[in-house]
Amino acid sequence: KAGVTQTPRYLIKTRGQQVTLSCSPISGHRSVSWYQQTPGQGLQFLFEYFSETQRNKGNFPGRFSGRQFSNSRSEMNVSTLELGDSALYLCASSLYATSANEQFFGPGTRLTVL
Amino acid sequence: QKEVEQDPGPLSVPEGAIVSLNCTYSNSAFQYFMWYRQYSRKGPELLMYTYSSGNKEDGRFTAQVDKSSKYISLFIRDSQPSDSATYLCAMSEKAGSQGNLIFGKGTKLSVKP
Repeated sequence: KAGVTQTPRYLIKTRGQQVTLSCSPISGHRSVSWYQQTPGQGLQFLFEYFSETQRNKGNFPGRFSGRQFSNSRSEMNVSTLELGDSALYLCASSLYATSANEQFFGPGTRLTVL
Repeated sequence: QKEVEQDPGPLSVPEGAIVSLNCTYSNSAFQYFMWYRQYSRKGPELLMYTYSSGNKEDGRFTAQVDKSSKYISLFIRDSQPSDSATYLCAMSEKAGSQGNLIFGKGTKLSVKP
């Protein structure tokens, strides 16, 4: 069974631009969560989607948004990029919305903002 | 005080050593405790999941939770170079809610052959 895939793996953008990251969950998984990982703040929850609905949102500004499609694939978008948005963005999928202890992470997208 | 504190290390041990990794927390409502392992350039993978206080063993790994002290530990016996990774603790008040998971910043472990 294929794992969680994220594209692209690496991305370099400049301040003010916007970016879209993609996540394909494990086949059959309907819940997708996004996290930001930085050395200073560690792993922080961005949002969670289940059956195309956002169930939960972390404490991030409105520049961070996401969506989930009917095939459970998810995208997150960051508009008006800031230097501080440089991070590893991780996507995790699970079968149900209530199975955080059974979520599987993708390899992440490394975003660098110059 | 941060909700979850974890010594970032790095921690370097010789092969075969017993490794002890720890996290402390301040929220007494946490009931679900997890340990993740993250290799370089990879996403975290779940190692251990425990509920409330007590011990859980899985092969060379043992997770301990002491709710009275707000302290959790992960022990690795007979450590191997392949155990070299960053170990993240995570905890939540409710079962299964990704949004409520609070992670430590991770401890980087290096096991030398």
